Amino acid sequence: SYVLTQPPSVSGTPGQTATITCGGNNIGSKSVHWYQQKPGQAPVMVIYYDGDRPSGIPERFSGSNAGNTATLTITRVEAGDEADYFCQVWDNSIVVFGGGTKLTVL
Amino acid sequence: QVHLVQSGTEVKKPGASVKLSCKTSGFIFSNYAISWVRQAPGQGLEWMGWISGYNAHTDYSQNFQGSVTLTTDTSTTTAYMELTSLRSDDTAVYFCASSRSGAGYFESWGQGTLVIVSS
Repeated sequence: SYVLTQPPSVSGTPGQTATITCGGNNIGSKSVHWYQQKPGQAPVMVIYYDGDRPSGIPERFSGSNAGNTATLTITRVEAGDEADYFCQVWDNSIVVFGGGTKLTVL
Repeated sequence: QVHLVQSGTEVKKPGASVKLSCKTSGFIFSNYAISWVRQAPGQGLEWMGWISGYNAHTDYSQNFQGSVTLTTDTSTTTAYMELTSLRSDDTAVYFCASSRSGAGYFESWGQGTLVIVSS
């Protein structure tokens, strides 16, 4: 089965840029979606189809996907961005999530 | 506005079954699929399966094949997830999530239902 690999944790300083990676075999050939989950809440989609933003998601959130790595980039990090982030793909009618990355804002 | 409202907390004994509901509104049910996603305490998201709002076609994760049954009631635009032979490691929050048919991403999520399995 298809596996998505994320770093367990990433840290960022307010105002700086944080990047979260999602590795998978030839993931660049798939569409990658990203979700933000804050403690005690349901996930919220922040990026779909590699780099599209749903309405209401700040332009500070962007995504890219090529080769074996997809990347979620958060520019001008804010304290409110502290959360778990999960990548997701569909693979042969099956949904696969990455293990999640905890973004800590220092 | 899309809404997915899930049923409340369940406490079950090992070996029992549980059936959760996910009431949807704000979109054309037949144009969407509903997935169920599990999150054990302190863990990540685990996809369980999905059901089409159009024809009730289902696909299940291998991890849940045989223990999960997904159904829908189109008259009330409600999706259901039944999990049988519960074990303590089924203790988790269970989310339903909607995806437009063929879209591949989850645009809306329910608030989650906590299931506690304990003797």
